[in-house]
Amino acid sequence: EDQVTQSPEALRLQEGESSSLNCSYTVSGLRGLFWYRQDPGKGPEFLFTLYSAGEEKEKERLKATLTKKESFLHITAPKPEDSATYLCAVQANLRNQFYFGTGTSLTVIP
Amino acid sequence: DTAVSQTPKYLVTQMGNDKSIKCEQNLGHDTMYWYKQDSKKFLKIMFSYNNKELIINETVPNRFSPKSPDKAHLNLHINSLELGDSAVYFCASSPQQGWGNTIYFGEGSWLTVV
Repeated sequence: EDQVTQSPEALRLQEGESSSLNCSYTVSGLRGLFWYRQDPGKGPEFLFTLYSAGEEKEKERLKATLTKKESFLHITAPKPEDSATYLCAVQANLRNQFYFGTGTSLTVIP
Repeated sequence: DTAVSQTPKYLVTQMGNDKSIKCEQNLGHDTMYWYKQDSKKFLKIMFSYNNKELIINETVPNRFSPKSPDKAHLNLHINSLELGDSAVYFCASSPQQGWGNTIYFGEGSWLTVV
C-alpha cells in the first residue's frame, strides 16, 4: 500500500540550531515529491518539487534532497519565523494523485 | 488577489443541517480538488475535477457532493451533517491533472458540527 511517513512528529530547535526533517515513502512509480509549509490557520504553501533521486532544491535556509526511498528537508540556522508544520506529499504513478504525510511541527525558539 | 479562495472560512452548524463551501481559483488551472484535513493534520483527497469533469472520487459518503459550474469554480455541498464531518476542508487547484503538477491550496474552511 502506498504510504508516506514523516518524522519526527514534532521538533523544537533553538534559533540557529540546524536540523533535518525526514519523509519516507513507499509508492510505486514516484512522479514527484513535494514539500509544503503550513502555518496555523492557513493552507499549505508550496515549497519544493523533487522528481528524481539525487535531486536537490534550495530556498533561503531550506534545502530539500531526494533518494529512492526518502526525502530530507534540511533547515540551516533556523529562525523563529521558520516555525510551522512541514508537509511532504508524493505523487504516484497510477492515478497521479497526491499522498500526504502527517507533517512535522517545527518550533524554533529565539 | 488570492489565487485559490474559499468561503466561508469558519462554519459552525448543527447535526443534520445541509451546508455548502464555495471555491474559486483565478490561476487559469484546469484541475481543482477538495481535500479534508483531520485533527492530526492528515490531508486526504476527496474529489478531483478536471475541466469540470469528475476525475477522482475517493471513498467519501455520498452526503458530500461536489459541483463544478466551470473550471474556475468547485463547490462542495454536504447534506445531513454529522459530528465526524468536523474538519478543515481545503480547496486546491493545479495546472492540469498529471505528472509533476504542483497543487496550490486555498486558506481552508473550518467546519464544526455540534
